Amino acid sequence: DMKVTQMPRYLIKRMGENVLLECGQDMSHETMYWYRQDPGLGLQLIYISYDVDSNSEGDIPKGYRVSRKKREHFSLILDSAKTNQTSVYFCASSLSTGSSAETLYFGSGTRLTVL
Amino acid sequence: GQQVKQSSPSLTVQEGGILILNCDYENDMFDYFAWYKKYPDNSPTLLISVRSNVDKREDGRFTVFLNKSGKHFSLHITASQPEDTAVYLCAAGENQGGSAKLIFGEGTKLTVSS
Repeated sequence: DMKVTQMPRYLIKRMGENVLLECGQDMSHETMYWYRQDPGLGLQLIYISYDVDSNSEGDIPKGYRVSRKKREHFSLILDSAKTNQTSVYFCASSLSTGSSAETLYFGSGTRLTVL
Repeated sequence: GQQVKQSSPSLTVQEGGILILNCDYENDMFDYFAWYKKYPDNSPTLLISVRSNVDKREDGRFTVFLNKSGKHFSLHITASQPEDTAVYLCAAGENQGGSAKLIFGEGTKLTVSS
């Protein structure tokens, strides 16, 4: 069963705390993504990872960093969380065929609240 | 600025009706276009996609039309049903070695009333 798993589902943190969002996929997809979703803004790309240790900034990388040490895991890290990072975070993965873009498979999202 | 833009934040249609969702993009290097569907508290799932070498793709009640010169693509839904009620997100991207850095629009909340 093809799956993208995000942990945790809900998270409340205080401003200044560190936050770790985890994502795993069991499809051996090379490419993984982190998006955040805010009302009226749709999904905004934070980081994209093309494979292990091959990460690239998306449109809004400021305040975030990522780690991909294994193909099946992609972590999003917030060092010293800010209140404007309160959002729903989606991880996704896709198979890279070498010739054309493929479907993104999304996790169920993590709702992060920074107080 | 917003690279991919959906002009309508929300739409309502009667059950059985036809509706059109629109999406405009800025980057003329984009060559992959998709519509995703999202129910509340669920993750987005791919509804239909098209590559730039065609201007139309049909899948049952759903058809995507691509107008490259106008940097515009649309989703047509026929015989709309209550279960079509969801948020529809358009997305566009440029193929980069088999991956597309997909840029999403803001979403259109569709309500199908019975």
